[in-house]
Amino acid sequence: GAGVSQSPRYKVAKRGQDVALRCDPISGHVSLFWYQQALGQGPEFLTYFQNEAQLDKSGLPSDRFFAERPEGSVSTLKIQRTQQEDSAVYLCASSDQTADTQYFGPGTRLTVL
Amino acid sequence: QKEVEQDPGPLSVPEGAIVSLNCTYSNSAFQYFMWYRQYSRKGPELLMYTYSSGNKEDGRFTAQVDKSSKYISLFIRDSQPSDSATYLCAIRTGGGNKLTFGTGTQLKVEL
Repeated sequence: GAGVSQSPRYKVAKRGQDVALRCDPISGHVSLFWYQQALGQGPEFLTYFQNEAQLDKSGLPSDRFFAERPEGSVSTLKIQRTQQEDSAVYLCASSDQTADTQYFGPGTRLTVL
Repeated sequence: QKEVEQDPGPLSVPEGAIVSLNCTYSNSAFQYFMWYRQYSRKGPELLMYTYSSGNKEDGRFTAQVDKSSKYISLFIRDSQPSDSATYLCAIRTGGGNKLTFGTGTQLKVEL
């Protein structure tokens, strides 16, 4: 079946621009996660949704980062006024109710110039 | 100090070698242990999942957990060039959902 998909796969933004990154989880998965992966590092947790409820946003690095999942399916991660330090791969993962296994999408590689 | 420490490598081995990858962690609340494989420009893919001390085997892969030492390992037998990737350990607490990852070890298996 279809896995987690993310779009765009690559995004180049000028410093100060706003960007929106989309995640389509596996159908029926109630849990959705966003992670940030800097070059040469492991993914770092940003935020977690259970259905449409954002239950944990402790990893969001600043108030420029905002995530939503209004209908409990597709999610969007928005970064306002992008900075060079926001350059990273943004990974989305989803899991079923047990939350035992998180399935990752291919990521969106964001480059801020 | 990071919650999860992992040697970043790179690690280069000949085809057929046994590979040992390791992570240490500091938080005794961690109860679930995973190994992910990540190919270049791809998302992480789950290889092994375990929640108890001891060994778990799946084909050429064996995951080992020692909770008393806060030490986890992944062994790859008869390594193949297709195993060349970055291997990430990931851990979460019993009541939590988010994963805490190591930095990843880059492995190259050469012909």
